[in-house]
Amino acid sequence: NAGVTQTPKFQVLKTGQSMTLQCAQDMNHNSMYWYRQDPGMGLRLIYYSASEGTTDKGEVPNGYNVSRLNKREFSLRLESAAPSQTSVYFCASSHRGPGNTIYFGEGSWLTVV
Amino acid sequence: GQQLNQSPQSMFIQEGEDVSMNCTSSSIFNTWLWYKQDPGEGPVLLIALYKAGELTSNGRLTAQFGITRKDSFLNISASIPSDVGIYFCAGQLYGGSQGNLIFGKGTKLSVKP
Repeated sequence: NAGVTQTPKFQVLKTGQSMTLQCAQDMNHNSMYWYRQDPGMGLRLIYYSASEGTTDKGEVPNGYNVSRLNKREFSLRLESAAPSQTSVYFCASSHRGPGNTIYFGEGSWLTVV
Repeated sequence: GQQLNQSPQSMFIQEGEDVSMNCTSSSIFNTWLWYKQDPGEGPVLLIALYKAGELTSNGRLTAQFGITRKDSFLNISASIPSDVGIYFCAGQLYGGSQGNLIFGKGTKLSVKP
């Protein structure tokens, strides 16, 4: 009964370092998403993948890249981390699109110093 | 970009009281979702609404999709301490593309025993 699983849970990076957040879902969902959550800002969409093999930019894509590795997995990469990318990152998935129920992972707390 | 206005930002209530929160927008939505987020966790779906005027309950929670398609409210009856958390509304714009799910900034609920 895993649902959406993302790793790591916590990470501290130095400015300029790179890292990849991993996400996997076991619900056979077509669509997957990466959001970031900042205090007082709600959830903002970084990138999404409507189906395997496709990715699209969301509201705040700058500084990020994504890969939809297969139907289950959707990774988020920070090529050169900046302090402004300190945030909580949530992976999510849904069956067809946002009109269908979106299920979230437990979050990844990233601090860039 | 598009915004949802969620209010109130925070609430401090006594256990047993009823709670009401709402989201409004100047744009038309075809889906409204209400989520709850506990500290250190990802948002969990509470109620999904897909039709204007729809009124849906989930235990002590009741949500409605506004008839104008520009608003939604969530009521919690007889609040209990475990209702504490941040409640988010989310909506998909009418005619929006996949990925176009917009989140409100959240209502932080505190319940005094």
